Amino acid sequence: AQSVTQPDIHITVSEGASLELRCNYSYGATPYLFWYVQSPGQGLQLLLKYFSGDTLVQGIKGFEAEFKRSQSSFNLRKPSVHWSDAAEYFCAVGARPDSSYKLIFGSGTRLLVRP
Amino acid sequence: EAGVAQSPRYKIIEKRQSVAFWCNPISGHATLYWYQQILGQGPKLLIQFQNNGVVDDSQLPKDRFSAERLKGVDSTLKIQPAKLEDSAVYLCASSVGAGELFFGEGSRLTVL
Repeated sequence: AQSVTQPDIHITVSEGASLELRCNYSYGATPYLFWYVQSPGQGLQLLLKYFSGDTLVQGIKGFEAEFKRSQSSFNLRKPSVHWSDAAEYFCAVGARPDSSYKLIFGSGTRLLVRP
Repeated sequence: EAGVAQSPRYKIIEKRQSVAFWCNPISGHATLYWYQQILGQGPKLLIQFQNNGVVDDSQLPKDRFSAERLKGVDSTLKIQPAKLEDSAVYLCASSVGAGELFFGEGSRLTVL
């Protein structure tokens, strides 16, 4: 069965510091992988996605993520965090297209940014 | 392009009362999803529609939750009777086939 693990519940970084949020997935084949961000009281906004091809994907707001098949990981990175990046981040995995395509989400990592 | 619309944004009810949430997906999106997001957790899929047919409702508590998408466009999610543990944000999302899901802002339910 598909599953997603985000091992860090909270992460605190200083503004300007680099960031890495961890995501591990379980799926029998090459999955579709996503990172979404959720600000307080808002819906989920897509940061980036991986379907195939280059394993390093670029997203919005300066985020990137790297798919590592050998580690079943899809970690999110940003070289320099801004105070506005404080939010909750969700990793999600989707199965290959079929009649019941859906996303399974991890439990999220809350990012706090120190001034 | 208009996004996924949901209403109401907030709802407070007593336990055992009923509540309904409405969702209008992005135009042309055949697939519609309802997710439940309890505080501190990731979204959990409740039900998935493809046009007006149910594709997956395996995690929908059918004794109290129901959902419909009669004309293959907008959808309604109903809870009757509500329990305290139903307090959550109910997120609607839509997509074109497999790939990115587009989410609405959610409907926050508080059951007292």
